[in-house]
Formats: sequence, C-alpha cells, structure tokens
Amino acid sequence: EIVLTQSPGTLSLSPGERATLSCRASQSVSSSYLAWYQQKAGQAPRLLIYGASSRATGIPDRFSGSGSGTDFTLTISRLEPEDFAVYYCQQYGSSPPYTFGQGTKLEIK
Amino acid sequence: QVQLVQSGAEVKKPGASVKVSCKASGYTFTGYYIHWVRQAPGQGLEWMGRVNPNSGGTNYAQKFQGRVTMTRDTSISTAYMELNRLRSDDTVVYYCARSGDFGEFYYWGQGTLVTVSS
Repeated sequence: EIVLTQSPGTLSLSPGERATLSCRASQSVSSSYLAWYQQKAGQAPRLLIYGASSRATGIPDRFSGSGSGTDFTLTISRLEPEDFAVYYCQQYGSSPPYTFGQGTKLEIK
Repeated sequence: QVQLVQSGAEVKKPGASVKVSCKASGYTFTGYYIHWVRQAPGQGLEWMGRVNPNSGGTNYAQKFQGRVTMTRDTSISTAYMELNRLRSDDTVVYYCARSGDFGEFYYWGQGTLVTVSS
C-alpha cells in the first residue's frame, strides 16, 4: 500500500499570498495518478487536480499541480478568501487500494 | 449534469448493519466505477472499496474485508455499501464517488452520517 505524507499539517497564510503544499509518496505513483482535493467544513471533497497537473473542470488557474514519482506539489498562486480549507492528495494508481494523505489545513493568518 | 444522491443519516446499535445507497444520474451508470470513502469527525479520508457497476465486480480495502459488501442495481442506477458488525468507531460520514476518465474521484455524493450508539 502506498502511504502519502502531506506537509505541512497546517499552513497559515494571508489572502494574496502564495501557498505551496507538499505530498510525498512511500513509493513511486504510477503514471502520475495523483490527485488533489479541497474540502470545506461540512462539505464533500472537491476534485481540483488530477494526473498530477491537470485542472478539473471549473477550477481557477491559480491552482496548479506539479511533480512526479514520489514528490508532488499543489500551488495556489494568490490566495482568495474561499481557498482556506483542507487539502488532500490521493493516489489512484493502476490497482487499489487507493490512499489519501492526512491533509493540510490552510488557515487564515 | 452528473449527480450522486445518497440516502439519509442513520442511527444504528453496535453489532447491527447499515446499508447506504448512492443514486446516480446524468451519465451512463455502467460506465464508471463507484467508490466508497469514509471520514471520521475531524479526520482524513479513508478509501473503503469500489464496485464496477457494469460487472458488479468489487475491490475492498483490507481493513474492511469480510465486513463490507458493495453492490449495485443497474435498473435504478444505484450503488450500495453495506457494513456489518458496526462498532462505535464506524460513526463517520460515508461518501460515494464516481471515477473520472482517468480514475480520479471526479464526482462525490453529499455524504451520509452513520451514528453507532447503544
């Protein structure tokens, strides 16, 4: 089973700043089957990024994903007030089990 | 548009079973896997397993093997997740999610809270 470790656990930033979230896998994630989700309190997760770098439909271009192998990054170029939430990475490689990272909470400084 | 609508909240006693439904609309039901993910209060996301709506084939996380059954009814475009021998730590929100063209979890249901309490 691939273990995903996200860092930092909590990130405190101000609107307008740049956010960089990290996700490290215990082994290589095949074909960059790595996704990022945003979850706000009381809501279901929302897909932001899939295939490590492809934005889902309707996701603003301030969200970008990068990385390959075992190291992946989600970058939010300029934080908007609605971006403060919890973010999860997930690997969904060729066969299950599919695992999530433990999450990064992005909070307003 | 794609929608996944889950059944309502449940309260169960320890040792009982719960069956959560996920009704799909807006796409061809048999074309995409349905996954089940759960989340304890204030905790992260945990993948439980998936069902292939076309074949009925399933894959379960090892943690839930022997205790979970995922099925589907193609006539009403609905997937089900049944969890047996409920414990207090099964008090979580259960989500269904539909995979996208590349396997990512593109669409999500609204979640179903299951409370296990004596």
